[in-house]
Amino acid sequence: DGGITQSPKYLFRKEGQNVTLSCEQNLNHDAMYWYRQDPGQGLRLIYYSQIVNDFQKGDIAEGYSVSREKKESFPLTVTSAQKNPTAFYLCASSIGVESTEAFFGQGTRLTVV
Amino acid sequence: AQTVTQSQPEMSVQEAETVTLSCTYDTSESDYYLFWYKQPPSRQMILVIRQEAYKQQNATENRFSVNFQKAAKSFSLKISDSQLGDAAMYFCARKETSGSRLTFGEGTQLTVNP
Repeated sequence: DGGITQSPKYLFRKEGQNVTLSCEQNLNHDAMYWYRQDPGQGLRLIYYSQIVNDFQKGDIAEGYSVSREKKESFPLTVTSAQKNPTAFYLCASSIGVESTEAFFGQGTRLTVV
Repeated sequence: AQTVTQSQPEMSVQEAETVTLSCTYDTSESDYYLFWYKQPPSRQMILVIRQEAYKQQNATENRFSVNFQKAAKSFSLKISDSQLGDAAMYFCARKETSGSRLTFGEGTQLTVNP
């Protein structure tokens, strides 16, 4: 089945540690996105990528890093520089500049203790 | 940053009634796409409806329709004959045609009362 897979669903890390969230898609989409969602709030764009080996900062990129070495994969690293990393993280993909909507993964709930 | 604004944090509607959720946005582009997404308690994002900015006709999907006012940069969602399953957080989103950036509003929590 085609879709977007985020893993793991729940992730716990100690404060000060870097952690990488996985996002894989088999939809052959060019564009991929990472969003952060805090309780009762909207989705804030962290990073997005239009094509392999290219990515742009979103609205809240500080403390995060990404890579796009393969079309299918867009991992997000939450670094120790991120002051409030505990949140729900959503990955999405879309064909690209065309009109179709974005498809979302199931999300990863990151808790830093 | 060019923004998407939903001014209603919470809305409620009686089952079988109609409700309208508001959204305004900011853009310097003439061509773009607008979406309404639904996020139920499972947190899975589900596309409700989409609108291409170059189309004047308002999009409709069964009980869901939009009122797209391009000059006013307004994009409201109307839900007719509301059902208990419509209860969810609803997000308005704008996608640029140049660059693929997809920006969401803050969301409106919709409650459907039986």
